[in-house]
Amino acid sequence: EAGVVQSPRYKIIEKKQPVAFWCNPISGHNTLYWYRQNLGQGPELLIRYENEEAVDDSQLPKDRFSAERLKGVDSTLKIQPAELGDSAVYLCASSAYNEQFFGPGTRLTVL
Amino acid sequence: DQQVKQNSPSLSVQEGRISILNCDYTNSMFDYFLWYKKYPAEGPTFLISISSIKDKNEDGRFTVFLNKSAKHLSLHIVPSQPGDSAVYFCAASPSGGGADGLTFGKGTHLIIQP
Repeated sequence: EAGVVQSPRYKIIEKKQPVAFWCNPISGHNTLYWYRQNLGQGPELLIRYENEEAVDDSQLPKDRFSAERLKGVDSTLKIQPAELGDSAVYLCASSAYNEQFFGPGTRLTVL
Repeated sequence: DQQVKQNSPSLSVQEGRISILNCDYTNSMFDYFLWYKKYPAEGPTFLISISSIKDKNEDGRFTVFLNKSAKHLSLHIVPSQPGDSAVYFCAASPSGGGADGLTFGKGTHLIIQP
């Protein structure tokens, strides 16, 4: 069974540029999560989807971050414009029941 | 304020001995607890979990203990093996199980020495 797929794995951009991350969850997993992990910290939830509905986006900075999961399968997280403080690893996870399976993450560096 | 705390940034244990990783939480709404293991450049991998209705859960070399009154849980690995060297994250979820968003600690870097 294929795991959670994320792309790109690494991204370097200059501040004020836009950036997008893509995630394909494990087949059949209705719940999808985006987390951000800063250096030396644990992952922090940004948004949770149940199928195509965002059921918890309270921690998503909505002035510059947006996310979508149009058909209830894969998802895109966007930052526009990026700031220096957005440098982090962006993790996608999916679940069917209690256990969350994580992808390898996208390491974003904002210069 | 950190709701899940792992106060030991690193832990060094000799191969074959027991590794004990600790975690404290402050939110009484947490009902389900998980441990994840993370290697560099990989995503966290689920290790073991425990519901608040239990005080112990065991899976092979891994055992998680939960003390609800103290809001404390620990992960025991015995015997420790070189492949156990990784960062271990404690995570918690409110009632409803682990399908809710998880709150993570900062992690403990476990180093198994030969």
